[in-house]
Amino acid sequence: DVKVTQSSRYLVKRTGEKVFLECVQDMDHENMFWYRQDPGLGLRLIYFSYDVKMKEKGDIPEGYSVSREKKERFSLILESASTNQTSMYLCASSPLAGAGDGGELFFGEGSRLTVL
Amino acid sequence: AQKVTQAQTEISVVEKEDVTLDCVYETRDTTYYLFWYKQPPSGELVFLIRRNSFDEQNEISGRYSWNFQKSTSSFNFTITASQVVDSAVYFCALIMMNTGFQKLVFGTGTRLLVSP
Repeated sequence: DVKVTQSSRYLVKRTGEKVFLECVQDMDHENMFWYRQDPGLGLRLIYFSYDVKMKEKGDIPEGYSVSREKKERFSLILESASTNQTSMYLCASSPLAGAGDGGELFFGEGSRLTVL
Repeated sequence: AQKVTQAQTEISVVEKEDVTLDCVYETRDTTYYLFWYKQPPSGELVFLIRRNSFDEQNEISGRYSWNFQKSTSSFNFTITASQVVDSAVYFCALIMMNTGFQKLVFGTGTRLLVSP
């Protein structure tokens, strides 16, 4: 089974702190994603990566950065956490989609971040 | 632009009732995939179904069924004889296959509460 593991289920940080959210997948997937989930807004894409050291901005990248040094690991970084970044963060991975094959995502259990 | 609309924010039913979750999508692409995901209280999104734009056949899997109608751009999900374990947030999602990197676009989700 595909396993996507997020390092922390619950975090509490203070405004201005640097926050690292780690995600590891064990299925050799090329694509990895970070989403943010907020009530009434659904899932919004922050950043994604389709290869090692490659990254692309999603729909809401402001205030975030990412790192992908190894294929299996995709980290989300909040350089200076703010209260409006309190949210549930979901990591996902998917294999490279080919003809006739549409990008099913495999998700981790999420990291609930509270910024005080 | 692509968009997925789940107009029902929350639905409450009593066990054994049938319930339909609505999903309406917008896309200019002719080739796309539609998905449903389930998010139980544990937080991890679980893949339920993928349907490509060329296959309008309805699908049934146990108590779950899906009705895909391109004429109305809808991909509705019906749970027959609902159970308490069906309580979750359900997301409909869309991915286009002809426009660069394939990103999933999610609806805002429908929370289903099934009471005993």
